[in-house]
Amino acid sequence: LAKTTQPISMDSYEGQEVNITCSHNNIATNDYITWYQQFPSQGPRFIIQGYKTKVTNEVASLFIPADRKSSTLSLPRVSLSDTAVYYCLVGDKNNAGNMLTFGGGTRLMVKP
Amino acid sequence: SAVISQKPSRDICQRGTSLTIQCQVDSQVTMMFWYRQQPGQSLTLIATANQGSEATYESGFVIDKFPISRPNLTFSTLTVSNMSPEDSSIYLCSVGQADYEQYFGPGTRLTVT
Repeated sequence: LAKTTQPISMDSYEGQEVNITCSHNNIATNDYITWYQQFPSQGPRFIIQGYKTKVTNEVASLFIPADRKSSTLSLPRVSLSDTAVYYCLVGDKNNAGNMLTFGGGTRLMVKP
Repeated sequence: SAVISQKPSRDICQRGTSLTIQCQVDSQVTMMFWYRQQPGQSLTLIATANQGSEATYESGFVIDKFPISRPNLTFSTLTVSNMSPEDSSIYLCSVGQADYEQYFGPGTRLTVT
């Protein structure tokens, strides 16, 4: 089972780009990478999912290098409202397994 | 994405009692899950709620303590039985779409005194 490692916390300032990296050295061939965002007193919210190279949506971009042993969630021009915990999950879409396993997450604090 | 509601949003209960938490989804979904999140911690999967059959529990969680019902494709309940202060936590239900993208309810904040 692929294990993920993320920084415990990060600080940033409004308007900056924030990059949160997740390490998953033993990612399997069929594994996908999924990121969630959780605000205080709310359930996690799906942000983005990818398999390789780059995925972009209206919220974020996900960069995955060729070896897939890590991934980077990029948040452009963060605002105070992006202060949240960000979770990286790695797992096979065809099996619940790690797709349902949340690691420690990264607590992002955006300052004015 | 599905819209998920939970009842109650919060409760304070006495030890030894039980609380049933309801999860309602606005559309039919195949996969429903229950999680627990203790203050300041990450989420821990309790079980998968299976429609028409017994729930599938994760290691460390048992049916006698956390009985789950799933009578149809839009509704599930989780009961926290014989509560102790250690059960104080936020309980979240989620639904899974085809690619295991999960959508979560707002959670139920339980305090056991």
